Amino acid sequence: GEDVEQSLFLSVREGDSSVINCTYTDSSSTYLYWYKQEPGAGLQLLTYIFSNMDMKQDQRLTVLLNKKDKHLSLRIADTQTGDSAIYFCAEKRSYIPTFGRGTSLIVHP
Amino acid sequence: DTAVSQTPKYLVTQMGNDKSIKCEQNLGHDTMYWYKQDSKKFLKIMFSYNNKELIINETVPNRFSPKSPDKAHLNLHINSLELGDSAVYFCASSPRGRGYTFGSGTRLTVV
Repeated sequence: GEDVEQSLFLSVREGDSSVINCTYTDSSSTYLYWYKQEPGAGLQLLTYIFSNMDMKQDQRLTVLLNKKDKHLSLRIADTQTGDSAIYFCAEKRSYIPTFGRGTSLIVHP
Repeated sequence: DTAVSQTPKYLVTQMGNDKSIKCEQNLGHDTMYWYKQDSKKFLKIMFSYNNKELIINETVPNRFSPKSPDKAHLNLHINSLELGDSAVYFCASSPRGRGYTFGSGTRLTVV
């Protein structure tokens, strides 16, 4: 099975909050990341959290880390149509970065 | 100024051909990567180089050969292209332990 798991799709209404969830398996991961991929583009680093933190906030983005359950989430407040993209969770252990399959966020007007 | 640049952006070629994709980063990062993204958007690491030294070599056919002439460049050469090689290939770089910066991808189509 995969080391990093995410649900494949999330649909929200514009203005609502979006929560994208991710589970990972390696408790020794030092950094956990969220990336955004818009159609036809490369991945853009949105935010990251160090493993000794449990929360990080950056404007509309809130990252929550539950190390005990190996669960990471990304909350986007006041979701806009421009937030429609694929969001990838990733963990890094040693030199090996592992990505989830990505969650397609669809924002309806 | 593009941080991680890949060329070409699109590559259409026939089965059996040999092709190369180039990648350059101007961020001073120590580590560079090649990823393959399939049609279902799954990202799989192929190779990683740290200071010109190969450190990750996942299970990819030996038709794929990375080459790192210096710390700022990591090229990918593919021999005898097959239909299943069609995908988007991303180059990325990172400083030790931190987030990756990705190139915009090379869409390879083998016909």
